[in-house]
Amino acid sequence: QITLKESGPTLVKPTQTLTLTCTFSGFSLSTSGVGVGWIRQPPGKALEWLALIYWDDDKRYSPSLKSRLTITKDTSKNQVVLTMTNMDPVDTATYYCAHRGYTTSWSFDYWGQGTLVTVSS
Amino acid sequence: DIVMTQTPLSLSVTPGQPASISCKSSQSLLRSDGKTYLYWYLQKPGQSPQLLIYEISSRFSGVPDRFSGSGSGTDFTLKISRVEAEDVGVYYCMQGIHPYTFGQGTKLEIK
Repeated sequence: QITLKESGPTLVKPTQTLTLTCTFSGFSLSTSGVGVGWIRQPPGKALEWLALIYWDDDKRYSPSLKSRLTITKDTSKNQVVLTMTNMDPVDTATYYCAHRGYTTSWSFDYWGQGTLVTVSS
Repeated sequence: DIVMTQTPLSLSVTPGQPASISCKSSQSLLRSDGKTYLYWYLQKPGQSPQLLIYEISSRFSGVPDRFSGSGSGTDFTLKISRVEAEDVGVYYCMQGIHPYTFGQGTKLEIK
């Protein structure tokens, strides 16, 4: 059974750096074909993909946010960490992490519950 | 980036009646491996998105067979044969070619 859970601050100030952790179970990020991604959703708006890391440490970023994002993994802890620098109020959103699997044609097939991050002074 | 355009943005359906959502991509989602990386998600109120359909028409584990996907290239459709109350929420299409993008969402309500 695959589960994921996001954790991190609920409130950050403008210009600060956000660090979010995705802790997962039911799979290993050292297994070929596995990835973990981050997706966000501003209140009342659509989903936006942010970043993705694969079992082989290949990393992909949204071009519009690439300069601000870093994604890393700790296979031994079953965690993926996303950092986003220079936070702005427009970055207020629910942030989700999700499992990306080859068995479902590389879809994001399992999602965490999400964590709401508010950017405000 | 590939732009995903959904229509309609909202629909209200009587229980037991069918519903259909269209998703068009700005470029073909067919890749050289012969696969088309088009997915459908449902986000129920207050919940995380859940995968319904992958690779145009394959239902994810546990998804009722009243949900079906079709299409090719740039034009795709999600159909619900008989809408039930539990189907309310926002439906998103997503394309799986980097950088990955979602449609704007279609809100389904029950009449």
